[in-house]
Amino acid sequence: QVQLQESGPGLMKPSETLSLTCTVSGGSISNYYWSWIRQSPGKGLEWIGYIYYSGSTNYNPSLKSRVTISVDTSNNQFSLKLRSVTATDTAIYYCARGQIVFDPWGQGTLVTVSS
Amino acid sequence: EIVLTQSPGTLSLSPGERATLSCRASQSVSSSNLAWYQQKPGQAPRLLIYGASSRATGIPDRFSGSGSGTDLTLTISRLEPEDFAVYYCQQYNSSPWTFGQGTKVEIK
Repeated sequence: QVQLQESGPGLMKPSETLSLTCTVSGGSISNYYWSWIRQSPGKGLEWIGYIYYSGSTNYNPSLKSRVTISVDTSNNQFSLKLRSVTATDTAIYYCARGQIVFDPWGQGTLVTVSS
Repeated sequence: EIVLTQSPGTLSLSPGERATLSCRASQSVSSSNLAWYQQKPGQAPRLLIYGASSRATGIPDRFSGSGSGTDLTLTISRLEPEDFAVYYCQQYNSSPWTFGQGTKVEIK
C-alpha cells in the first residue's frame, strides 16, 4: 500500500521560499506521476502541478512563475519549491500520486505565512 | 480555466436516505474527465469516483457518478454513518485542473 508523507517548515515569513518534500513509501516512485495540491479557506482546493518520475512537469499557470517541482528517484521523494510567498499562500499542502486524478494523498502539512 | 460550482452548499439528511450532489461546470466537461472526492475533518481528500462513473478501489457501490456536459452528479444511494463528510468534484478536461468548492453532507 503506497503511502505519502509531506515534510517541511510550518511557519514562514513573507518573501521566503517554501520548500516541501514528499516521501513515498510502500512502492516505487518510478513509472508514476506525482502532484502537489493545496487547500485554503479562501481558495479551496487548488492544483499546483505535477511531475513524472522522469522529470517532466506541468504547473498551474496561476503559480507557474513561482513554482518548481523536482523528483529524487534514488530516495523515492519529490519536492515543491514556491518562491516569494505571501499570506495568501497559507494553506494545507498535500502531495498525491497521479497526473489528473489523485490517489492516494498524503496527510497534508499546514504552512502558515506570517510576519 | 473551468470553474466548478457545487450545490447545495450543505445537504442535511438522515442515514438511509439518498443524497444527490450537483457539480456544474462553466464550460462543457467530458463525463470521462470528472472525479469526485470525499473529505472528512482532519483528513486528506479520498478519491471516490473518476471517469465520471468508475469507482476507486474499495469504494462501495452505493456511490455513483453520472451526467455530462456542464451538469455532473454524485449520488449516494443510501447514506451510511461514515458517509457524512464534504464532497468535492474535480475536472481534468482542460488544464489547469480545478475543484469545486464542496458540498457538506451533514446528519439531519
